[in-house]
Amino acid sequence: ILNVEQSPQSLHVQEGDSTNFTCSFPSSNFYALHWYRWETAKSPEALFVMTLNGDEKKKGRISATLNTKEGYSYLYIKGSQPEDSATYLCARYSGGGADGLTFGKGTHLIIQP
Amino acid sequence: NAGVTQTPKFRVLKTGQSMTLLCAQDMNHEYMYWYRQDPGMGLRLIHYSVGEGTTAKGEVPDGYNVSRLKKQNFLLGLESAAPSQTSVYFCASSLSVLVELFFGEGSRLTVL
Repeated sequence: ILNVEQSPQSLHVQEGDSTNFTCSFPSSNFYALHWYRWETAKSPEALFVMTLNGDEKKKGRISATLNTKEGYSYLYIKGSQPEDSATYLCARYSGGGADGLTFGKGTHLIIQP
Repeated sequence: NAGVTQTPKFRVLKTGQSMTLLCAQDMNHEYMYWYRQDPGMGLRLIHYSVGEGTTAKGEVPDGYNVSRLKKQNFLLGLESAAPSQTSVYFCASSLSVLVELFFGEGSRLTVL
């Protein structure tokens, strides 16, 4: 993997169901992995920043895991609610200057009532 | 608690016109960034600054200039706007790239 890739691009989930999606990134030169939640017409808001292999972080019904050796992170949402509808962005920091932070294209999540 | 504020929120320009986008943050952050968001693309870094008086090029710097004369402000300038610069521009700030970025609400620029 040469770039930060997110899958799927979009996802429709029934309200109440749990879901997860993936951020894949080059495993070399890894320093940090960011997750952001971006609602339409608003600004991206940080969910998690993870740095260590095996890190797991949780905020309410949302959690994330990190595997730096194989180059992926999962974001999980338990019991999806309509307010979870948003685009979820991940970004990998590979060191150097601030230009070492590379964003994926996002996973667009739609929760259907 | 303003956070990161961008002005203007919307602007329509004609090809060749110039303009400046202003980003202001009240969190005393050292790092500030300008990104552009285009359909089907991730956020792409235009320029960034790691402190007052410093600026550096990002991934897509051509056609843009920046200045950071005061720690709280980061200006993005277009000297001669082109249709390819039609985009949504986001400013962000942070203490470092190892911690979260705080984003402004975006500025939608259309160049005709």
